[in-house]
Amino acid sequence: GAVVSQHPSWVICKSGTSVKIECRSLDFQATTMFWYRQFPKQSLMLMATSNEGSKATYEQGVEKDKFLINHASLTLSTLTVTSAHPEDSSFYICSASPDRGYQPQHFGDGTRLSIL
Amino acid sequence: GESVGLHLPTLSVQEGDNSIINCAYSNSASDYFIWYKQESGKGPQFIIDIRSNMDKRQGQRVTVLLNKTVKHLSLQIAATQPGDSAVYFCAERLSGTYKYIFGTGTRLKVLA
Repeated sequence: GAVVSQHPSWVICKSGTSVKIECRSLDFQATTMFWYRQFPKQSLMLMATSNEGSKATYEQGVEKDKFLINHASLTLSTLTVTSAHPEDSSFYICSASPDRGYQPQHFGDGTRLSIL
Repeated sequence: GESVGLHLPTLSVQEGDNSIINCAYSNSASDYFIWYKQESGKGPQFIIDIRSNMDKRQGQRVTVLLNKTVKHLSLQIAATQPGDSAVYFCAERLSGTYKYIFGTGTRLKVLA
């Protein structure tokens, strides 16, 4: 089955640090990947759509300069949280699906980001 | 029984009973629907999907029902097991896109 790998799974860092999270599709190619944010006991909130070879599409209210997305290949998208602050602490999850028809999104195991 | 918590509604069922988790979706133009299971600290895991041209689909121990008239989706789990305890989300895909909208989620607690 389709496997999505996300790394790192857990990050603790000081305020002001930039943090990069990687999302890889291991056994399929994905033109489009998605980045979500999830607060405790809440649903997934779509942050942005990552498009291979072009600019990401951000959802309303998501700062593109704060959350930089790069999708340089058909199997890798990265999310960089720039100059992170405690309010950026959250669970970040990526997803991808094979680029054909009715295929479900497959999710990585998420990254727990804690900013001190 | 079912109760509404601070954010997530919770459904408590006895082990061995059947579970029914409901979801109201928002967009009548959505053409594809998925149920996901999320365990603590992990990403959502695919359970079953259904296209808008169907009203029922069965998997192993799970059945998804789609009622487009009232924009309602349900997940039935037969003979619920302790390992089924998790949060369940429905997701709808907007027609013509690969963009998904997730429901609020339901926590399933299986009582021994």
